[in-house]
This record gives sequence, structure tokens and C-alpha cells, in this order.
Amino acid sequence: DIQMTQSPSSLSASVGDRVTITCRASQSISSYLNWYQQKPGKAPKLLIYAASSLQSGVPSRFSGSGSGTDFTLTITSLQPEDFATYYCQQSYSTLRTFGQGTKVEIK
Amino acid sequence: QVQLEESGPGLVKPSGTLSLTCAVSGGSISSSNWWSWVRQPPGKGLEWIGEIYHSGSTNYNPSLKSRVTISADKSKDQFSLKLSSVTAADTAVYYCVRSVIALVVATTHNWFDPWGQGTLVTVSS
Repeated sequence: DIQMTQSPSSLSASVGDRVTITCRASQSISSYLNWYQQKPGKAPKLLIYAASSLQSGVPSRFSGSGSGTDFTLTITSLQPEDFATYYCQQSYSTLRTFGQGTKVEIK
Repeated sequence: QVQLEESGPGLVKPSGTLSLTCAVSGGSISSSNWWSWVRQPPGKGLEWIGEIYHSGSTNYNPSLKSRVTISADKSKDQFSLKLSSVTAADTAVYYCVRSVIALVVATTHNWFDPWGQGTLVTVSS
């Protein structure tokens, strides 16, 4: 299995802050990396696919980068509706695996 | 736009079989995508269970493979999950998801979108 490790597991930030979440794969996965946002009681929502492609309808303050084993999700100017848990997910292997999640909380 | 909705019992007895169905609307299960199940135990992370293509081809998470069956009914645009010999560890919110297959910069990629709203299945006597 390809293990996905996110850091940090949680963070506190203020509205307007720039937030960076890191995801590391246990082996190279090229750009086969997706990011999701999940709010309490809701299903995950796709934000970024193929490491850096913004899903239609997702605000441009979200961006993704990286390839190989190291990836980053960046939120520029954090908004109140961005407080949620974020998951990375690799699609390199048929056995799709997710990171453990990063909870973004209000400072 | 494609929408997915899970249905099935919210309570299953230990050693029993969990059975869920996902109804697809706004699109066809016969499109060039796979159809997946993902679960999330309360307060925990996401686990991919398996997927099916309209041809009937399936892929399963090896950790669950001996207990999982995913099937599809093209005439109803539905796909289903059966998980046998359940224990309390199978208590989770179960999501059905479209597994999109698409070209991105001349490379085939895959991602999960959209997701059903999820259904909580509790394993308890």
C-alpha cells in the first residue's frame, strides 16, 4: 500500500492567513494526487486533482503543487468557510489511499 | 449534473451482511467512469472499499476483499455494496462516489467526484 502522510494533523489560523498543508507519499506517485475538503457532517468535496488542477467552481485561493512524493495544498487568504478538514488522496495505485487529514481551525 | 444517493439499513447485527445501494441520477452508470464505495468510521479518516465499471469489472481493497462484493444494475443506474461478516469495526459512514477517469495534460488521471451524502451504518446487536 502507498501510505499518505499529512502534516500538520491540525492547525489554527485566522481569517486572511495563508495556510499550507503538506502531503507526503511513501513512494513516488508522479502527479497522481488529489485534495478534498470535508466539513462536519458532510461528504468530502474535490478541490484539486492531478496535483495542481483546480476543480471547476472551487475558489482560486486554493492551489496545489508538487510531484513525486511531496505535495502541498495552499489556501491564500483563509476565509470563514474554509475551516474544515482537508485530505490528500493518491490515485497512482488501484488501491487508492488517503492521508489522515488536516483539520483547519479558527484561531 | 450527476448526483448519487445511498440507501440501506442503518443498523446491522454483528456477523451479518451490510447491504447498500447507490442510485445515480443526472448521468449514466454506463459512462466511462468507475463507481466506488468509500467509508469513514466516526471521527476517523477515509478508506476506499472498492469500485465497479459498468462492464462488471471490479477492484477491491485487499484488506476487505474477502468480505466485499460490489455489483451494478445498468438498467436502474444503480450500484450496490455487500460487506459480509461485519463487526463493530465496520461501523462507519459509507459514501458512494463516482471515480472519474480523465486525461490531464495527456495523462490519464482518476479522482473521486461527486460524492453521495453518505449513510451511517452501525454494527450492533
